[in-house]
Amino acid sequence: GQQVMQIPQYQHVQEGEDFTTYCNSSTTLSNIQWYKQRPGGHPVFLIQLVKSGEVKKQKRLTFQFGEAKKNSSLHITATQTTDVGTYFCARGGSGGSYIPTFGRGTSLIVHP
Amino acid sequence: DVKVTQSSRYLVKRTGEKVFLECVQDMDHENMFWYRQDPGLGLRLIYFSYDVKMKEKGDIPEGYSVSREKKERFSLILESASTNQTSMYLCAWAGLNQPQHFGDGTRLSIL
Repeated sequence: GQQVMQIPQYQHVQEGEDFTTYCNSSTTLSNIQWYKQRPGGHPVFLIQLVKSGEVKKQKRLTFQFGEAKKNSSLHITATQTTDVGTYFCARGGSGGSYIPTFGRGTSLIVHP
Repeated sequence: DVKVTQSSRYLVKRTGEKVFLECVQDMDHENMFWYRQDPGLGLRLIYFSYDVKMKEKGDIPEGYSVSREKKERFSLILESASTNQTSMYLCAWAGLNQPQHFGDGTRLSIL
């Protein structure tokens, strides 16, 4: 299937530092979805981006969709220990398919 | 909110056993999915179903089968469990081009 590459695989930060994870595709994305999985939990949907250049915010989280719709990023401002977990991006299905393709995720570790 | 329930959080089975993982959703959604999740490999799609008695292979169907006799229930079957099938298994439902909604997962260990 068509891949989405997610970097970095792991990120350690001190509490209060910012964090960014990136999602890249070699082909144009119809949409991009972001999920968070807490340790021991299951992935939970955060947001979906559809439009070129779209920026959405959820409190300290900022999600961007690139102008060319080939990349996306999730930025967390002033991390807290509650932000710990793995963040996944997923390219949404296209052309009538509802099958998303997930990136491998970025694990965020926040040190108090 | 639609609830997705997986029958077991933890399961231990032996090599060669036939294993059933059950997933039930409490609404009338057609599309259901089975994934496995392994460290460093993310979520990989095993099978999905878009209606009763309909099934499609995902990226890694080998060693697995599925059953969808009723719309609310989607079962994953390991015909003859092997140690390399030790993993976290996640069931999900989704609407067309809509986000996935996951169950709590089943952590399966094959000894």
